[in-house]
Amino acid sequence: EAQVTQNPRYLITVTGKKLTVTCSQNMNHEYMSWYRQDPGLGLRQIYYSMNVEVTDKGDVPEGYKVSRKEKRNFPLILESPSPNQTSLYFCASKEKRATYNEQFFGPGTRLTVL
Amino acid sequence: AQSVSQHNHHVILSEAASLELGCNYSYGGTVNLFWYVQYPGQHLQLLLKYFSGDPLVKGIKGFEAEFIKSKFSFNLRKPSVQWSDTAEYFCAVNANQGGKLIFGQGTELSVKP
Repeated sequence: EAQVTQNPRYLITVTGKKLTVTCSQNMNHEYMSWYRQDPGLGLRQIYYSMNVEVTDKGDVPEGYKVSRKEKRNFPLILESPSPNQTSLYFCASKEKRATYNEQFFGPGTRLTVL
Repeated sequence: AQSVSQHNHHVILSEAASLELGCNYSYGGTVNLFWYVQYPGQHLQLLLKYFSGDPLVKGIKGFEAEFIKSKFSFNLRKPSVQWSDTAEYFCAVNANQGGKLIFGQGTELSVKP
């Protein structure tokens, strides 16, 4: 089944404790992206990657890091989480050269930073 | 900067009522337009999309949307809602042919049985 998976689905942590949220897709998509969803703000892009070893900042990159060592994986790293990073996070992927730009979303990771 | 505005934050309807959710975007060039739905506790699913051609697009579950270029709008409609349509709906725009989607704030739809 074609899908985007994320782990963990739920995470409660404390300020300053490094964490990683994994994202993996099995559709051989070149493009991957991370969004955060906050009430009243919709989804905002954090980082994206056009291909392996190519990453770039989205609209709200502060406090986050990403890496793209393999095509299928795009982990989101919070080196020193803070309470304002409490949010619902979605990973997404799509074909880079698709004539339509439909993105496929993962199930989401709900992060709480105390 | 590109932006997407959804007019209604929370809509409450009774079953069988008609639905129209407003979406306006700010970008003067070619755009790709999307409506996504997020059922409680679930991830985003694509309802429908517009890239070119017929401005009236039909999606899954009886939803449709009309692209009106002159009004920069892409409103979502459904003639008769069901309780199972209770969800949050997001309008999104891709304007630069890259991957980034600009999302609206979302509209929460509650359908009373």
